[in-house]
Amino acid sequence: DTGVSQNPRHKITKRGQNVTFRCDPISEHNRLYWYRQTLGQGPEFLTYFQNEAQLEKSRLLSDRFSAERPKGSFSTLEIQRTEQGDSAMYLCASSLVGLADYNEQFFGPGTRLTVL
Amino acid sequence: GQQLNQSPQSMFIQEGEDVSMNCTSSSIFNTWLWYKQDPGEGPVLLIALYKAGELTSNGRLTAQFGITRKDSFLNISASIPSDVGIYFCAGMEYGNKLVFGAGTILRVKS
Repeated sequence: DTGVSQNPRHKITKRGQNVTFRCDPISEHNRLYWYRQTLGQGPEFLTYFQNEAQLEKSRLLSDRFSAERPKGSFSTLEIQRTEQGDSAMYLCASSLVGLADYNEQFFGPGTRLTVL
Repeated sequence: GQQLNQSPQSMFIQEGEDVSMNCTSSSIFNTWLWYKQDPGEGPVLLIALYKAGELTSNGRLTAQFGITRKDSFLNISASIPSDVGIYFCAGMEYGNKLVFGAGTILRVKS
């Protein structure tokens, strides 16, 4: 399978614990995006990388959130001291940015986080 | 921040019927997209619109980019059971970041 993969698919944690999610983009894709989706809503942008550089972070991304893409391939999203409000689906998407008008973002299946 | 207003929130239609849903924005987007999301999966791109007034088809799907670049509609003709899912409109911002609507839930009676 050459699509975007995310691990784990589901994570249940207790409030106050730290969690880390991983995203493996499509090989050779230079852009990687993280989105968060709560029930009944569309995905909301969190942050994105061009290769290993983090180019933008949303105001939704509090100081408890950190994302990395150390070698320009896979990315991790860590949430420290989780709160119940962090419960959501975390989606990763990748694209190959070039000369086209629009470079399609391919989404992974997401990691569903439940904070008890 | 920018918001996309999507309507209707949900639809329950008979198989074979045509479906229409739309999306409006308070801001202008240069690219407008329609996605479908199945349960437990990420969104999948259906149609991308690049020019104001553009009308684009993809099989039974037809979408148009409003002339003001603040709205779009998606039509599905002759619906089938596998059309069930959540349909999202999205506008593209600088950096190819996507702003999504809240979605239209489509249910099909066979």
